[in-house]
Parts: sequence; C-alpha cells; structure tokens
Amino acid sequence: DGGITQSPKYLFRKEGQNVTLSCEQNLNHDAMYWYRQDPGQGLRLIYYSQIVNDFQKGDIAEGYSVSREKKESFPLTVTSAQKNPTAFYLCASSTPGQTYGYTFGSGTRLTVV
Amino acid sequence: AQSVTQLGSHVSVSEGALVLLRCNYSSSVPPYLFWYVQYPNQGLQLLLKYTSAATLVKGINGFEAEFKKSETSFHLTKPSAHMSDAAEYFCAVSESASYDKVIFGPGTSLSVIP
Repeated sequence: DGGITQSPKYLFRKEGQNVTLSCEQNLNHDAMYWYRQDPGQGLRLIYYSQIVNDFQKGDIAEGYSVSREKKESFPLTVTSAQKNPTAFYLCASSTPGQTYGYTFGSGTRLTVV
Repeated sequence: AQSVTQLGSHVSVSEGALVLLRCNYSSSVPPYLFWYVQYPNQGLQLLLKYTSAATLVKGINGFEAEFKKSETSFHLTKPSAHMSDAAEYFCAVSESASYDKVIFGPGTSLSVIP
C-alpha cells in the first residue's frame, strides 16, 4: 500500500547535536511538508517542497534544514541552533488537485536529553 | 490572511450523545476546508473536506460538517458518539487547490464518557 514512512518513531538528542528525521513517500506526490506539533498549539509549518531540488521556509524554519534530492524523500535536520527541539514532528505530502488533502506520516517524537 | 479558530480545546460527551466540534475560519477567498483526526502518537487522518461543492460534507466514521459562509464556520458533527471517537480533531483551511499553505487550528481533544 502507498503511504508515508517516518523514521525513527522516537529519537533522543543530546544538547548541541544535529539529528536527521527521515520521511519517505511512495505516493508519487509532488509536494512534501514538515510540521512541528506542540501541545495546545496545533501544527506549525517548518518547510515545504513542491518540486525536487526546491523548497521554501515555513513559519518556523529557524534551526531546521531540509533537502529534496529525490521526489520520494524529504529529510529534516534539526540543528543545534534550534533551542527548543523537543516536539512531535509530522511529515505530509500532497499533489495539486487531489481530492483528499494531505497524507500524513505517523510522526517522530524528538526529545532532548 | 487565513486563520482557524476552534472553540474549546477539550470537549467531553457521553457515549451515544451528539458530538459537535466548532471551527471558524477567516479567508480572503473561497476556502478549502478540512477536518482531520489524530489518535495518540499517530499522524493525522483526513475525515472530510469541503471544496465548494455541496455545503454539507459527509466523511468517514459517521462524521459530517456543514459549510456556512455567512457564519464563516465549518462545524463537525456526529449524531452518536462512540468510544473509538476519542481523539484530537483539527480543522484546517487552505486558499489554494495546491494546498501549499494549509493553516491548522489548535485542535480540540474529544473525550467520550462511557
């Protein structure tokens, strides 16, 4: 079945470390997105990409970086510049004109230890 | 600019009772509107979507929502709550069919009391 795979499910990071969250989709979707979720704040857009080798900053891009070298993959790196990285991270994908909105992965919970 | 508000961060209903989750939006153009459901430690799943066709939209699991332009609302309802409906519900708005800027509301946590 087609879908979005995020890995790992749980991730622990030490202060000052960079970590990379994986997001892979086999839906042949053009666009991919990264959201951060904190309790009571809904979802906030970090980065999005509508085509390979191109991406745009969302509302809270500081301290994060992404790449889009392949249509299927959109990894997110949480850098040491992100001061409060503990959160639930969600990856999503979509294709313009589709009738079912975004498809989401199952998320990665990042905790700073 | 687009925005979404959800009245009530937490709603409790008895099993078998009506579920009503409120969503109001602001948009400068006719919007696309969505309701998503999230179970603990899971991603979001689309419940239903409004795209300027019928104003009453039926979704999965017995949920439906009505688009009311005059009230800028898109409230989610279900006639009879089931224990499995306990989850977080998000209303979302987009001004574009390409969905490149979907704005999510803060979410409403639904509890179902046996």
